[in-house]
Amino acid sequence: QQQVKQSPQSLIVQKGGISIINCAYENTAFDYFPWYQQFPGKGPALLIAIRPDVSEKKEGRFTISFNKSAKQFSLHIMDSQPGDSATYFCAASNQGGSEKLVFGKGTKLTVNP
Amino acid sequence: DVKVTQSSRYLVKRTGEKVFLECVQDMDHENMFWYRQDPGLGLRLIYFSYDVKMKEKGDIPEGYSVSREKKERFSLILESASTNQTSMYLCASTTQGNYGYTFGSGTRLTVV
Repeated sequence: QQQVKQSPQSLIVQKGGISIINCAYENTAFDYFPWYQQFPGKGPALLIAIRPDVSEKKEGRFTISFNKSAKQFSLHIMDSQPGDSATYFCAASNQGGSEKLVFGKGTKLTVNP
Repeated sequence: DVKVTQSSRYLVKRTGEKVFLECVQDMDHENMFWYRQDPGLGLRLIYFSYDVKMKEKGDIPEGYSVSREKKERFSLILESASTNQTSMYLCASTTQGNYGYTFGSGTRLTVV
């Protein structure tokens, strides 16, 4: 019930392509879904987040798509750049509970020049 | 620039040693968290704290304890280090009602 399942584990994309990372959850009480980006040697940093009252949120080249009925959400990176190469984590939380986040296992994205 | 500072980037300790990992934040955040990060397993919550002297177990608390004597400092303690505790340890903080964590850069602990 507390798991967030993330796929794929790794992803290789050519520069200019679209990167897509998917996450699924079971706990219907989850109501906040952030994505974190982690570069080597650094801690994760909040990239973008969505609440279930909207189906999509866009910030620059990064878009979250959210499907409440399927209990799935995904991160799309448009026009992927080598500088986007990092590990991406999806997460979920029940804001009616605590500030605790449950994280997916991560996706290592490599964008080739 | 707000910061979460972890005192050591790399640590090597011997099996059975008592290990202290320190984390300090300068943002006056109420909530602090300790995670461990392992390849293929993602981030797993060890302990968290909502206030001074308050602590709650996360998903994998066995073999660990924590201390929060001051609001800005949250320490993770390995009472008797074992080789299966070799990992990257990440500290994070956030203010009440805010789910945007600020993470430290991590401490890579090797237990030999």
